[in-house]
Amino acid sequence: GAGVSQSPSNKVTEKGKDVELRCDPISGHTALYWYRQSLGQGLEFLIYFQGNSAPDKSGLPSDRFSAERTGGSVSTLTIQRTQQEDSAVYLCASSLWPGPTDTQYFGPGTRLTVL
Amino acid sequence: KQEVTQIPAALSVPEGENLVLNCSFTDSAIYNLQWFRQDPGKGLTSLLLIQSSQREQTSGRLNASLDKSSGRSTLYIAASQPGDSATYLCAVRDFGNEKLTFGTGTRLTIIP
Repeated sequence: GAGVSQSPSNKVTEKGKDVELRCDPISGHTALYWYRQSLGQGLEFLIYFQGNSAPDKSGLPSDRFSAERTGGSVSTLTIQRTQQEDSAVYLCASSLWPGPTDTQYFGPGTRLTVL
Repeated sequence: KQEVTQIPAALSVPEGENLVLNCSFTDSAIYNLQWFRQDPGKGLTSLLLIQSSQREQTSGRLNASLDKSSGRSTLYIAASQPGDSATYLCAVRDFGNEKLTFGTGTRLTIIP
């Protein structure tokens, strides 16, 4: 079946602009995660959605970052007033948790470059 | 706060050799530990997941072990092949927490 998909694959923006990154999880997966991978910080957790529960936003680095998940499926990560330090690869993952396994399946990522 | 470390940061070995990648974590109260591989410009592919109650998991030429009390996991790759070249990441999930905390990765190069 189809895996996790993300769009766009690459995004170049100017400092101060807003960007939206999209994630389509594996069909039937109730858990959805956003991570960020940057050279200086490695791979960091950003936010976690589980069904209709309130998301765990504990990893969001600032209030410029927000995310939503519509209809328990597609998720959008929004970064407002982008800064150069936001440049990174943004990875989305989904899993069947809670379920027989919580293996997380990752998408290919969106490479964000802020000029 | 959980911290995950992987040593070495990079490793080059000739094709056909067996090798071990190391992962250590500071808080032993983990729910599970997962090993991933990442190819350049690609996302992560899950290799093995070990629950906290397990000691090891095997898949083909890969064997992952877990020693929770000492905060260590190893990934053993047998009869290495050039296609094994990638960055290998370990990640732990703590009890009461759904997020993964990742190590810094080991970049593996298999020399033909």
